[in-house]
Amino acid sequence: GAVVSQHPSWVICKSGTSVKIECRSLDFQATTMFWYRQFPKQSLMLMATSNEGSKATYEQGVEKDKFLINHASLTLSTLTVTSAHPEDSSFYICSARSVDTQYFGPGTRLTVL
Amino acid sequence: GNSVTQMEGPVTLSEEAFLTINCTYTATGYPSLFWYVQYPGEGLQLLLKATKADDKGSNKGFEATYRKETTSFHLEKGSVQVSDSAVYFCALSPKVRGSNYKLTFGKGTLLTVNP
Repeated sequence: GAVVSQHPSWVICKSGTSVKIECRSLDFQATTMFWYRQFPKQSLMLMATSNEGSKATYEQGVEKDKFLINHASLTLSTLTVTSAHPEDSSFYICSARSVDTQYFGPGTRLTVL
Repeated sequence: GNSVTQMEGPVTLSEEAFLTINCTYTATGYPSLFWYVQYPGEGLQLLLKATKADDKGSNKGFEATYRKETTSFHLEKGSVQVSDSAVYFCALSPKVRGSNYKLTFGKGTLLTVNP
């Protein structure tokens, strides 16, 4: 149980385009989902907390107009990287909370050319 | 604020060796404690957790005991395998209403097990 999926697993896009990443909890409902970014050989950096039906809460320094988060249902949250640039290239990981535990997706590798 | 300190890696062991990865924390109250494992190119998998003092989490031969007196949650395994090679993250989340159970992570410890 407690499986979280992400789609796509990897994406390559041109600079200036937008990319949407989906995060789904497959076998449980998650009122709260989280989006992280991970740089090579580093720990995870929390970008935002997403609560179903309300606006996401962004961490300090994260541009909310650049990283659009939508949590429209109890099993789906999306992260849209708008007008992506090479510095947005990274590994993006989502998690979904079940009671007191976060379960993580497999991650999405974004490369912006 | 909350913080997690875990031993710096990398840690390199031979197969069947004993593993300890130290983790200490600073937090208000009594948080829940977790160990997550990340294999190359993948997301994090929950390895084990403990929610109160003296609880022992265990899974796949790994164990960790929630020690309130030393604010520690060290990860141990009696006999590691090559397949245990991964990055291990210690983390805590507060048990406070409204906190959304946000995780605070340690920096991660890279474990390499050689045959």
